[in-house]
Amino acid sequence: DIVMTQSPDSLAVSLGERATINCKSSQSVLYSSNNKNYLGWYQQKPGQPPKLLIYWASTRESGVPDRFSGSGSGTDFTLTISSLQAEDVAVYYCQQYYTTPITFGPGTKVDIK
Amino acid sequence: EVQLLESGGGLVQPGGSLRLSCAASGFTFRSYSMNWVRQAPGKGLEWVSAISGSGASTYYADSVKGRFTISRDNSKNTLYLQMNSLRAEDTAVYYCARSYSSSVDDALDIWGQGTMVTVSS
Repeated sequence: DIVMTQSPDSLAVSLGERATINCKSSQSVLYSSNNKNYLGWYQQKPGQPPKLLIYWASTRESGVPDRFSGSGSGTDFTLTISSLQAEDVAVYYCQQYYTTPITFGPGTKVDIK
Repeated sequence: EVQLLESGGGLVQPGGSLRLSCAASGFTFRSYSMNWVRQAPGKGLEWVSAISGSGASTYYADSVKGRFTISRDNSKNTLYLQMNSLRAEDTAVYYCARSYSSSVDDALDIWGQGTMVTVSS
């Protein structure tokens, strides 16, 4: 199974400042035949289901604010919130869908400093 | 509006069975692979199972293999999860989630609100 790890476990950022979350996979999730990274990012607010933010490691889902961006390739990925807003307080998960079992990272909790 | 609505959760004794349902609306159900993802209280997300659009291919996490069965009825736009031999560690909110395409190897773009399953004596 592909193991996903995230860092940090939690972070507190001032409103308007940048938040950066890292995700690492135990093996590459880059599919060489189409050059796509099978990596997604999700946001989960308390009492709500997860929401897809980013897929193919860097493609923003429709309706997601452009302050959210994804980068990376192979085994190392980053989710960046360029200017943190109050409504961004949530837990963020990375996920690989390169192969089953699909696996998620443990999550990173983002709070306001 | 694209929507997924789970039902069937509840309290069950260890060793018991439960069947979850997920009613889909607002999209061509048979064109998408579907998934079950669970979240134990206060914990992270765990993918449980997936099924192709036709239902011909199914996939399971090792933790549920042999105990859970995923299925779908495309005529009713409904996804199911039959859960047998339930254990305390199966206690979780169970979410139904749509794969972004017909492929199981895809991001999960639509999620239901979830249904709670509690396994306890």
